[in-house]
Order: sequence, then structure tokens, then C-alpha cells
Amino acid sequence: SQQGEEDPQALSIQEGENATMNCSYKTSINNLQWYRQNSGRGLVHLILIRSNEREKHSGRLRVTLDTSKKSSSLLITASRAADTASYFCATDAGSTAGTALIFGKGTTLSVSS
Amino acid sequence: GAGVSQSPSNKVTEKGKDVELRCDPISGHTALYWYRQSLGQGLEFLIYFQGNSAPDKSGLPSDRFSAERTGGSVSTLTIQRTQQEDSAVYLCASSLGRRGRIPFTNTGELFFGEGSRLTVL
Repeated sequence: SQQGEEDPQALSIQEGENATMNCSYKTSINNLQWYRQNSGRGLVHLILIRSNEREKHSGRLRVTLDTSKKSSSLLITASRAADTASYFCATDAGSTAGTALIFGKGTTLSVSS
Repeated sequence: GAGVSQSPSNKVTEKGKDVELRCDPISGHTALYWYRQSLGQGLEFLIYFQGNSAPDKSGLPSDRFSAERTGGSVSTLTIQRTQQEDSAVYLCASSLGRRGRIPFTNTGELFFGEGSRLTVL
């Protein structure tokens, strides 16, 4: 079953605009991660935010986490055509034994120049 | 190697045949994961290894699917009597995982291979 669900499923914007993607999850977590996937390629890790953190920045990326609402958002500022990709959130299940990440279905971002 | 390596990159097989997909993780990574991604879909978790043992096999879709890992390194995912619905990209990932007696309470960053695209005719 899916733990994380991204919203929207697809997003089309112009270069220079900001892109916001949302993720909701169901159970308690240790951390939440965002990944990017270019068409036909493997996934690449973007950023990890721990359950006791509320916001994190990495370059043009800003991630927020609201554990009370079980949701996270990924903001890409000043988007570029090269940002065109699918973006996935992933969560663990909060087990102390360690566990696999469960991924959502992703948001497909298209940035046109 | 520098990254996670998967082979074959592409496999076309006939329905009913067995296939083996191989994953070579990043050296020193003790945790290894298999996922499946159908066209335009998200990732479906299949199985997770910590060392050579598989604490979580809950995602394997049927008993036709099995996986093993030997020497705490290379892993093989085997699909017996393939069906057309098995067609997908099979992604492998590795992470640092547990370190000796150090408690492992967080799943850290996963490093993915490029995947093995399986087509069952």
C-alpha cells in the first residue's frame, strides 16, 4: 500500500516560476525524503527532513514537514527546464528496526522555456 | 563500483520463462532494496535486505518472486514462470543500513541503480 501520496499528479509551469508539490502520508515516521526521477532513469535523492524538523533548505529546494497534518511540501524556486522530471516523496514506517522506504505515485513536473 | 549497478538493463522474455535480475550495491552498503515501477506509476516495494537476511518480504507479489543476497553484497531477484503483468522496470537501491552494534532507527538516503526493464511477451 502507498504510504505517501503526492499532489498534484502533474504540474506544468514556465521557467522562472516556482513549483510546489505536496505529499501526505498515513503513519508516524522517522523521516521523509524527496527524490527526483528523470524519464527512463533511476531515482536521485534530493533532501531528507527528520520528524523533529519543520523546514529544510537545499539550494533552490525548500521542504516543509507538518507531522500534525502528516504532510510535507517541496518547493522549487526559480524553476528551469532542467527541473522537468517526476518527484516522489518517500517515508519510512517509523519502525525502530529499520524499514524500507515507501514511495508515493509522484508528481510529474514539466517546465517550459 | 561507484554506484549501484543493475543487469541486464533490458530483458525481453516469453511468458512462462524464468528471469534473473542482478543488483550490485555500493561497496559498504549493508541495506539493499528492490522496487518495481510500472509505466507511469510510482514505486512498488518488493523486498528489503539487511546484510544477507530479509526482514521485510511483504511486497513480493506472489510465490513466483524470490530474492537472495549472498556475501552481504550482490542480490538476485528471480521471477519464475513470468506473466505479462510482470512487465515493469525493476529498481534496486542500497543504503548504509546497520553498522555493527550501532542501532539502526532511521532509513537514510537510498542510492538507486538505473533499473532493469523487463518485457514479458
